[in-house]
Amino acid sequence: EVQLVESGGGLVQPGGSLRLSCAASGFTFGSFNMNWVRQAPGTGLEWISYISVSSSSIYYADSVKGRFTISRDNAEHSLYLQMNNLRAEDTAVYYCARAECSGTSCVSDSWGQGTLVTVSS
Amino acid sequence: SYVLTQSPSVSVAPGKTASITCGGNNIGSKSVHWYQQKPGQAPVLVIHYDSVRPSGIPERFSGSNSGNTATLTISRVEAGDEADYYCQVWDSSSDRLYVFGTGTKVTVL
Repeated sequence: EVQLVESGGGLVQPGGSLRLSCAASGFTFGSFNMNWVRQAPGTGLEWISYISVSSSSIYYADSVKGRFTISRDNAEHSLYLQMNNLRAEDTAVYYCARAECSGTSCVSDSWGQGTLVTVSS
Repeated sequence: SYVLTQSPSVSVAPGKTASITCGGNNIGSKSVHWYQQKPGQAPVLVIHYDSVRPSGIPERFSGSNSGNTATLTISRVEAGDEADYYCQVWDSSSDRLYVFGTGTKVTVL
């Protein structure tokens, strides 16, 4: 059974930093691209970052570019999101999601339960 | 950047059919994926590649995609289908790779 378990969320002051982790199990982690997706309270889903299997391709949404860094450790079956210079608008539940990609599209076929990040003074 | 538009809400009686649309410029040329999200839970993939049901998803869920509109259809709606539904495409032409629709709240009367 595919399992993705996020951790590292919490309350942080504006301008602060936080590192999220996602522990993967039940599949060959090193064979799948991965994503971080977030959802602010009462709003829809927002994709924020993608990393390929070998970390050779990395993308960010404009809203987090320059502040967030995605990374992975295939040996540890883990995905990370380093979040710096946090703003109130970064308050959200953060999900890690496995990306199943064909030649023309990618779909997130498995999701973690999410971790809540609250940015407030 | 590519935009996906969904109606904010759909109401349907139990046993009837719910149709949830996702509009985008020439969306028929892209693969569309659909997620169901119940309150307090993570999204669950219910349709991928326009019309393919993942393992474990009831046959009552179906999808289609043509022209400027993709549609998720839920037949014989049950109370447990009440949720938010999001469409998604992959937009490799820009850095905004994953594009999600605005979401549709399905209410079972």
